[in-house]
Amino acid sequence: GQQLNQSPQSMFIQEGEDVSMNCTSSSIFNTWLWYKQDPGEGPVLLIALYKAGELTSNGRLTAQFGITRKDSFLNISASIPSDVGIYFCAGPRAGGTSYGKLTFGQGTILTVHP
Amino acid sequence: GAGVSQTPSNKVTEKGKYVELRCDPISGHTALYWYRQSLGQGPEFLIYFQGTGAADDSGLPNDRFFAVRPEGSVSTLKIQRTERGDSAVYLCASSLGGRAGETQYFGPGTRLLVL
Repeated sequence: GQQLNQSPQSMFIQEGEDVSMNCTSSSIFNTWLWYKQDPGEGPVLLIALYKAGELTSNGRLTAQFGITRKDSFLNISASIPSDVGIYFCAGPRAGGTSYGKLTFGQGTILTVHP
Repeated sequence: GAGVSQTPSNKVTEKGKYVELRCDPISGHTALYWYRQSLGQGPEFLIYFQGTGAADDSGLPNDRFFAVRPEGSVSTLKIQRTERGDSAVYLCASSLGGRAGETQYFGPGTRLLVL
């Protein structure tokens, strides 16, 4: 089953507002990934984090790798309608031998009202 | 360049039937992954190929599920004696070499509905 817990499960915001979502795990991760999935499409990688404490930005998106290596945060500033979609955190568990085996959270559904 | 493609995009079948789902990875990518995504959930890992061999098939739910990649490029996920619980979106992804931290590029998925 899923080992990553995302919150909130859904968000309804006004265009222009900032958004924060997070992801927690009971297990340590060496890499944290944030993906966005649009309806009818596969997930697309937004940001990758590789070191505890790392803060990385991609345009209006900023993500942080938690110091404990058991959590990560994604922030979106000045939201726009095309930010609508489902945001997933994911990563390969530390200590695993299969680098390709990603574990995903259950997703945060973002709705942006114009 | 072309991304990961999957066919068919939608598949409706009856309980007990056999289905095959196809994935064409990005050219030159040696690693290929299959995931299953149920409604309202994130993708769940099924199997990972490095070249022609399955490097990790620990996510396959039971022996009705089987996947092949005979020439190290196209892969086929095969499901025997389908059950209603197999209904989901089956996602394929590929990456350049299968190394730690490498970006996996996903296809649009095949939506399987078992009646």
